[in-house]
Amino acid sequence: DTGVSQDPRHKITKRGQNVTFRCDPISEHNRLYWYRQTLGQGPEFLTYFQNEAQLEKSRLLSDRFSAERPKGSFSTLEIQRTEQGDSAMYLCASSIPTGSGNSPLHFGNGTRLTVT
Amino acid sequence: GENVEQHPSTLSVQEGDSAVIKCTYSDSASNYFPWYKQELGKRPQLIIDIRSNVGEKKDQRIAVTLNKTAKHFSLHITETQPEDSAVYFCAALRRTGANNLFFGTGTRLTVIP
Repeated sequence: DTGVSQDPRHKITKRGQNVTFRCDPISEHNRLYWYRQTLGQGPEFLTYFQNEAQLEKSRLLSDRFSAERPKGSFSTLEIQRTEQGDSAMYLCASSIPTGSGNSPLHFGNGTRLTVT
Repeated sequence: GENVEQHPSTLSVQEGDSAVIKCTYSDSASNYFPWYKQELGKRPQLIIDIRSNVGEKKDQRIAVTLNKTAKHFSLHITETQPEDSAVYFCAALRRTGANNLFFGTGTRLTVIP
């Protein structure tokens, strides 16, 4: 499967613990996005990378959240001191710019986080 | 920022009938409008998209229309089948500046056999 892959698929953690998720985008895609989706809602943008540069962060991304893409390939999203409100599906997506504008985002299967 | 509203939140149709989902957006600079289908527990998958220089696009049983003046766009599914049952999300993206998609809240479509 050459699509976007995310690991782990599921994560259960206790409140206050740190968690880290990984995303491997489609290999030739230089843009990588993190979204969060809660039940019954559409995905909400968290942050965006072009190559290794983090170009935009949502106000949803509190200080407890940090994302990296050190070599411009895979990315990690870390949540420190997790809270129950962090429980959600964390989706990664990638895309490649085209001459006519932005190309479609291709999503991974997500990491479902449950904070108890 | 962009605000995308989507209606209806749920939609039930008989197999073979048509389904229409409507979205409005607030930012006139938005110029790319994809639609995603998400089945339970699965990733959102792109089913069709339209750019602002086009008013309509069709792909087999699926079509999208865009009215830039009114800032709304719609998804049309004809001859619906049970496998069309899923949650559908519209989204809007600005070509320059922000590179993130703003999603609607989703429409749960149920096709009754």
